[in-house]
Amino acid sequence: DAKTTQPPSMDCAEGRAANLPCNHSTISGNEYVYWYRQIHSQGPQYIIHGLKNNETNEMASLIITEDRKSSTLILPHATLRDTAVYYCIVRVNAGGTSYGKLTFGQGTILTVHP
Amino acid sequence: NAGVTQTPKFRVLKTGQSMTLLCAQDMNHEYMYWYRQDPGMGLRLIHYSVGEGTTAKGEVPDGYNVSRLKKQNFLLGLESAAPSQTSVYFCASSSTGKGRALWNQPQHFGDGTRLSIL
Repeated sequence: DAKTTQPPSMDCAEGRAANLPCNHSTISGNEYVYWYRQIHSQGPQYIIHGLKNNETNEMASLIITEDRKSSTLILPHATLRDTAVYYCIVRVNAGGTSYGKLTFGQGTILTVHP
Repeated sequence: NAGVTQTPKFRVLKTGQSMTLLCAQDMNHEYMYWYRQDPGMGLRLIHYSVGEGTTAKGEVPDGYNVSRLKKQNFLLGLESAAPSQTSVYFCASSSTGKGRALWNQPQHFGDGTRLSIL
């Protein structure tokens, strides 16, 4: 799976948009970009994923650059409860022997402050 | 919505003792996974299962055994606990995609079991 690079930490004011970047310059054509987050003492929580096109759901938006070498997770109106570690993961979407392994790196610690 | 439930939430063992961690999901998911999370190392896959009665090794399977006798349950066993197995254990499940999207579905995680081995 392609390696990802994320800033170790970011701050965001409550109510503002949080934009979390991720670099995945070695991504290949069949690899998806996934975002998970982990709030302290809880299990990881799926946020969103995409291949080429931008994606949006009730939690966030995912913007993937045209060359697919980087992406940005956007939390449109951050709240204090969004304080967590955010993981950007690039994962092969293949059948057969590829068991869907999620490789969690160090992630970005997002702190939302009042 | 229960989702993925792990029991117990906390446990302290002595070296050499055995125990079983239980994971139950109520989403009718085919795939289930066991991970461990250690400080500074992210999550590492221990074992996984693609369906009832089938299991397979992940990245760090040594010292663990698993069973999937029922679709909704995935058990992780430690036969002889060692201090190196002190960790937070997470179970996850996912549904199957179709065709090329076989592994595309997101994984849903439980809240973990914190295991200390003295």
